[in-house]
Amino acid sequence: DAGVTQSPTHLIKTRGQQVTLRCSPKSGHDTVSWYQQALGQGPQFIFQYYEEEERQRGNFPDRFSGHQYPNYSSELNVNALLLGDSALYLCASSLRGCHPSNQPQHFGDGTRLSIL
Amino acid sequence: DAKTTQPNSMESNEEEPVHLPCNHSTISGTDYIHWYRQLPSQGPEYVIHGLTSNVNNRMASLAIAEDRKSSTLILHRATLRDAAVYYCILIDDKIIFGKGTRLHILP
Repeated sequence: DAGVTQSPTHLIKTRGQQVTLRCSPKSGHDTVSWYQQALGQGPQFIFQYYEEEERQRGNFPDRFSGHQYPNYSSELNVNALLLGDSALYLCASSLRGCHPSNQPQHFGDGTRLSIL
Repeated sequence: DAKTTQPNSMESNEEEPVHLPCNHSTISGTDYIHWYRQLPSQGPEYVIHGLTSNVNNRMASLAIAEDRKSSTLILHRATLRDAAVYYCILIDDKIIFGKGTRLHILP
């Protein structure tokens, strides 16, 4: 039973470029959340997708956008990359259920994005 | 704006119990208390969660204060593999991680 998988594992971009990160949720999960983790900090919530719609959003600019597909996989897109976007980007999946906050999140090992 | 407060770091000896504290004085009635840990170069790993009652699983125990304003993650017998950053978070709608507690295990 595969857990959460993310691709690519590492990526190098330059300022102003655009990037797409991908996530496949754990089998049976229907909700995907994205996080940004700067070095030495805890993960920061970007947004959450359920039923192909963005349900919750953290304090991130519109340059950060996402998508969820019918098979529950998800993409994170970042436009006009800045040096400060260099971070580990984590995807987590969960089963929404009747009480979403009662559901554990399962994380992938992330995509390390470096901006030059 | 993390809703929880944890010590920056803690040390424990191998094969001894570890009690990791977390304060969440502004917790609301519908917030679940979740604990995750993160090993170097890995994503966070779910440890345990609860609402009001104490919880046990194969990894750890979670003790929740009666007023729910604090909780303690208990590792019953620490091993070197338990060295990680431990995050205590409250989940209602948005999920907000703090900086966590870096746990060092001494052999």
